Amino acid sequence: QQQVKQSPQSLIVQKGGIPIINCAYENTAFDYFPWYQQFPGKGPALLIAIRPDVSEKKEGRFTISFNKSAKQFSLHIMDSQPGDSATYFCAASINPYSGGGADGLTFGKGTHLIIQP
Amino acid sequence: DTAVSQTPKYLVTQMGNDKSIKCEQNLGHDTMYWYKQDSKKFLKIMFSYNNKELIINETVPNRFSPKSPDKAHLNLHINSLELGDSAVYFCASSQGRGVTEAFFGQGTRLTVV
Repeated sequence: QQQVKQSPQSLIVQKGGIPIINCAYENTAFDYFPWYQQFPGKGPALLIAIRPDVSEKKEGRFTISFNKSAKQFSLHIMDSQPGDSATYFCAASINPYSGGGADGLTFGKGTHLIIQP
Repeated sequence: DTAVSQTPKYLVTQMGNDKSIKCEQNLGHDTMYWYKQDSKKFLKIMFSYNNKELIINETVPNRFSPKSPDKAHLNLHINSLELGDSAVYFCASSQGRGVTEAFFGQGTRLTVV
């Protein structure tokens, strides 16, 4: 089954804190795990992505931690700023060339993050 | 230049009408998608097109039909609109299928009254 579970649904953090958003998946055929950031009235934009052969990836203040055996991955935002306030989505997709079938991203339900000044 | 552009940004229409949403990408990508975002912000894929061929069709009503006149365009036609079709519809594109970055348009907010 193609399902990605995301938590928490909403999160409030003080400026400078480290919000952590968690996702879990069931389908072991997933092999690409991106995080998207969405501001009100805008489309989702790729923040950072990881593949299952890597346990951690950092890009600027954003870090993905990946636990393949637990089928979980998480987003950490270092030194969070009010401008990071947005909705964050984890997602997963299958390599269609490996016989996994479906194209496109399966999204978690999103986390509404507020960074207070 | 906008990478993935959709028109219109807002669309208000009555039940039973037929409407279209246009999407164009200037990234040279070979795969385009339509996603639906409901009132709870849940994003779900509807269609994908790769080299003008429909790859998947998630369980969406056949009132929805994607049409791709060329690799840079994927339009969404909706017939006999229903109240439940109200949502934000996003077009996206990627180079290759599946495991690559997808670029999203700004969305079309469809309201059926």
